[in-house]
Order: sequence, then structure tokens, then C-alpha cells
Amino acid sequence: SQQGEEDPQALSIQEGENATMNCSYKTSINNLQWYRQNSGRGLVHLILIRSNEREKHSGRLRVTLDTSKKSSSLLITASRAADTASYFCATDPNRDDKIIFGKGTRLHILP
Amino acid sequence: EPEVTQTPSHQVTQMGQEVILRCVPISNHLYFYWYRQILGQKVEFLVSFYNNEISEKSEIFDDQFSVERPDGSNFTLKIRSTKLEDSAMYFCASSTLQWNTEAFFGQGTRLTVV
Repeated sequence: SQQGEEDPQALSIQEGENATMNCSYKTSINNLQWYRQNSGRGLVHLILIRSNEREKHSGRLRVTLDTSKKSSSLLITASRAADTASYFCATDPNRDDKIIFGKGTRLHILP
Repeated sequence: EPEVTQTPSHQVTQMGQEVILRCVPISNHLYFYWYRQILGQKVEFLVSFYNNEISEKSEIFDDQFSVERPDGSNFTLKIRSTKLEDSAMYFCASSTLQWNTEAFFGQGTRLTVV
């Protein structure tokens, strides 16, 4: 079973709208991170939220973490064409020396 | 801004050949990782490396794989005898700390085994 699972798998919205992606995980974690990947490119770190934090902001990004539900959400406000990419949540399970990625959400911003 | 660099960006190799993928992590980072992503699939952990030794590896990282930090800057992944199913994007990453810190990823090496 997956440690991190994003939903939806794919999301298409109009430019200017807000995009919300969700991530659920199974084990306890130290932190949860969100990454962006443009098609065929590397992974760009967006934001890290620690297990004792509930919400974090970075520019147009807002991340929430609910450890009781083992879930996180990534909100991108006022979306732009350049936000078109795949978005992955990655968890850092307690005392594990790796981060585990979900399958990602493919976000497509329509002009 | 410091970044993780990987070379080559694309490698094509014959099945059964050895390949070495190279990475230069960020200079003050202490923890190094390799991940792979088969086309259209999720990013999978291969191995983590600290203090000149493997600290954790996945079941994917079998005897065909090895990692090395031959000098103070490079971090390499070697696949001894490539198989068709090794075709994937291979990402190197590094971080300052083991936990509770972001990992910075390179742009990846696309390995195609023919």
C-alpha cells in the first residue's frame, strides 16, 4: 500500500482559479513536503511542513497538515499557466532515512 | 543559488552494459540519495548515503546497483549490467540533515536501455 497518495490524479482548471490537491499517508511522519515536476524535468521543492505545524504559506501556496487524519492539502491560489505540472507529496516517516513520494497530481491550467 | 547537478542528462546504453550516473550534490550537504522514476510512474527511493556508507536502501537496489562518493564532490550510481526495465529517470538528491529538512533534487538523467 502507498505511503503517500494524492488526489485527484488529474485536475484541469481555468487560469485564475484556485487549485487544491490532497495527499493522504499511512504511517507517522516527521514532516511532509510538496514537490513540483514539470514534464520530463527534475523535482522542485515547494514547501515543507513539520508534523507539529498545521498550516504554512509560501507566496501563492498554502499547505495544511492534519496528522490526526494523516492528510495534507496543497492550495495554489490565482493559478497561472506556468503552474501546469505534476505535484507530489513526499513524506518523511519517523526515523526512516528516505522520503517517500506519492503518485502525484497532474495539474493543467487552461488559458 | 546552489543546486544539484547531474550528468549526463540522457544516456542510451545496450542491455548488459555498465553505466555510471554522476551527481554533484550541494557542497555543504551531508546526505545523498538516488531515486528513480519509470516513465509515467511515481518517484521511487533507491538508496541513501551518509558518512561514506549506505544508510538505507530499497528492494530495488539489488546487487546490480552500487553507489560511491569517489572524492569530495561527486556521488555516483553504477548499474553493473543494465536491463531493459532499468530504463527510467534517475534523480540524485542531497540534504543538510537526515530528517526534517528539504531534499534538493537534480534535473535527472534519463537512462534508456536498448
